[in-house]
Amino acid sequence: DVKVTQSSRYLVKRTGEKVFLECVQDMDHENMFWYRQDPGLGLRLIYFSYDVKMKEKGDIPEGYSVSREKKERFSLILESASTNQTSMYLCASSTGTADNSPLHFGNGTRLTVT
Amino acid sequence: GQNIDQPTEMTATEGAIVQINCTYQTSGFNGLFWYQQHAGEAPTFLSYNVLDGLEEKGRFSSFLSRSKGYSYLLLKELQMKDSASYLCAAMDSNYQLIWGAGTKLIIKP
Repeated sequence: DVKVTQSSRYLVKRTGEKVFLECVQDMDHENMFWYRQDPGLGLRLIYFSYDVKMKEKGDIPEGYSVSREKKERFSLILESASTNQTSMYLCASSTGTADNSPLHFGNGTRLTVT
Repeated sequence: GQNIDQPTEMTATEGAIVQINCTYQTSGFNGLFWYQQHAGEAPTFLSYNVLDGLEEKGRFSSFLSRSKGYSYLLLKELQMKDSASYLCAAMDSNYQLIWGAGTKLIIKP
C-alpha cells in the first residue's frame, strides 16, 4: 500500500513565523500535491509537482511556496504565517502513468496560527 | 465557472441504502472521483467514472451521466463504519480536480 506521511499531525505557530510542512511518499510516485481543507469548502490546491525540482501553482498559492529536491519528498512552506492560514493541510501523491490515477493522501497536518 | 454541488449532510439507518448525489459543471470533463474520509483521517479513493453508467464495487456503486453533469454514490447494507464524509471531485479538461465540499453521512443504529 502507498504510504504518504506528513511529519506533524498538529502544529501551533505564531503570526509571522516561517512554517515548514513536510510530506514523504514511499511508492516512487511522480506527482505530489498540497491541498488545504476548510469546513464547508472543497479541497483547494495550493501547489503541485510532476517531477523533482518542478513546481506548479494551484488555485491558492499566495503566501505559500514549495520545494521538491527529492522525488519522495514535497515540502510546503509558509513564509510568514498568518491567521487566515489556519487550516488542515493535506499532502497527496499519484503515479504519473495515467492522468486519472487516484490520489493517495496523508493524514493531514492541522495548523493553527495564533 | 467550475462548480461541484453535493449535500452537506445526510442521515441513514444501519442496514439501509443511501444515495449521495453530486452535480458538476466543469470546463471539459475527464472523469469523476469519489473519496471517503473518516473524521481525522486521510481521504481514501472509492471510485472513478468516466463513461456513463453504473460501476459496482461490493456494497458501493457509483453512477455517472455525462449529459446531465450528474453522479451518485450508492451505499448498500449500511454499516456503522460507513459514517464518514464522502467527497466528489470532477476532473476538467486540464486534468485538474474540482472538489465538492463533501457530504457528511451519519449512520444511526
